[in-house]
Amino acid sequence: DTGVSQDPRHKITKRGQNVTFRCDPISEHNRLYWYRQTLGQGPEFLTYFQNEAQLEKSRLLSDRFSAERPKGSFSTLEIQRTEQGDSAMYLCASSLPGPNEKLFFGSGTQLSVL
Amino acid sequence: DAKTTQPPSMDCAEGRAANLPCNHSTISGNEYVYWYRQIHSQGPQYIIHGLKNNETNEMASLIITEDRKSSTLILPHATLRDTAVYYCIAPSGGYQKVTFGTGTKLQVIP
Repeated sequence: DTGVSQDPRHKITKRGQNVTFRCDPISEHNRLYWYRQTLGQGPEFLTYFQNEAQLEKSRLLSDRFSAERPKGSFSTLEIQRTEQGDSAMYLCASSLPGPNEKLFFGSGTQLSVL
Repeated sequence: DAKTTQPPSMDCAEGRAANLPCNHSTISGNEYVYWYRQIHSQGPQYIIHGLKNNETNEMASLIITEDRKSSTLILPHATLRDTAVYYCIAPSGGYQKVTFGTGTKLQVIP
């Protein structure tokens, strides 16, 4: 299967700990997005990359959050000093840019901060 | 990006057509309408998109009104596996400005 994969699928952590999530996009896709989704809400944009360049960050992305895509392939999203409010599903999606841009999502990482 | 409005929930009998409406009255001439769906505990899945002509693929049909202010996603023969949240969005200039909103929760009933 050559879809978008995310790891881990679930993460339970204690408040104050750091966590890191990984996303492997579809190989030929040069755009990669991170979204956050809480229960009953749709996905909310966090940040996106075109190749290795991080082009935009949402104001939702506080200074505790950092994302990288070092060689324009996989990406990591790190949350430092986690808070209970960070509990959510973190979704990654990849795409090819253009007027018919379609997002291909991974299954997400469910984060629970205790 | 155009704001989209969808009903929060709908029911459909299994085997019948599911017609999911979406209002996008502020859509501009070059903005596509996209539909995604999200089955519980999975990431959203692309269904279909269109600009002004009606579109059909193996999953669904998309009917866009002539004035482009609204559209309808049609699942011709709904199955239990079509139970999901359906999102209608208009991602002009990229998905970084899109608000997915809460979508329409479609329940297919046996």
